[in-house]
Amino acid sequence: SYVLTQPPSVSVAPGQTARITCGGNNIGSKSVHWYQQKPGQAPVLVVYDDSDRPSGIPERFSGSNSGNTATLTISRVEAGDEADYYCQVWDSSSDYVVFGGGTKLTVL
Amino acid sequence: QVQLVQSGAEVKKPGASVKVSCKASGYTFTGYYMHWVRQAPGQGLEWMGRINPNSGGTNYAQKFQGRVTMTRDTSISTAYMELSRLRSDDTAVYYCARVYCEVSCYEDYWGQGTLVTVSS
Repeated sequence: SYVLTQPPSVSVAPGQTARITCGGNNIGSKSVHWYQQKPGQAPVLVVYDDSDRPSGIPERFSGSNSGNTATLTISRVEAGDEADYYCQVWDSSSDYVVFGGGTKLTVL
Repeated sequence: QVQLVQSGAEVKKPGASVKVSCKASGYTFTGYYMHWVRQAPGQGLEWMGRINPNSGGTNYAQKFQGRVTMTRDTSISTAYMELSRLRSDDTAVYYCARVYCEVSCYEDYWGQGTLVTVSS
């Protein structure tokens, strides 16, 4: 089965740039989606199809995907960005949806 | 506006079954697949499967095959997820999520979650 690997945690100071990676075999050939989840809340889509943003999501959130790594980039990080972030793809070989293990973003 | 409203928290004994509902509003229920995703305490998101509300067709993650049943009632725009033979490690928050498909498919709206606690 397809596996997505994320770092457990990323820390960044306010105003700096956070980069959260998502590794998978030839992930660049897939569409990657990113979800933000704050404690006690349902996930929220922040980036879809590698780099597109839903309406209402700040331009500070962006994504890229190439080779074996997809990346969620959060520019000018704010305290309110502190959350868990999950990458997700659809594995065509199994017809299953796969989530990464999640990354806890801490704003110092 | 799109809303997914789930049923309330449940406490079940090991070996029992639980059925969680997800009532959709603000869109055409039969026009979008529905996913079910769960999250154990302190753990990540886990995809359980999907249902096509139009046809009733389902696709379950291998881990849950034989224990999970996803159904829908189009007359009341409600999807259901039933999990049987519950174990303590099924304790989790269960989410329904609408699936939007264009270039690819992703969950664009989520229910508020339903906590299922399995305890003797």
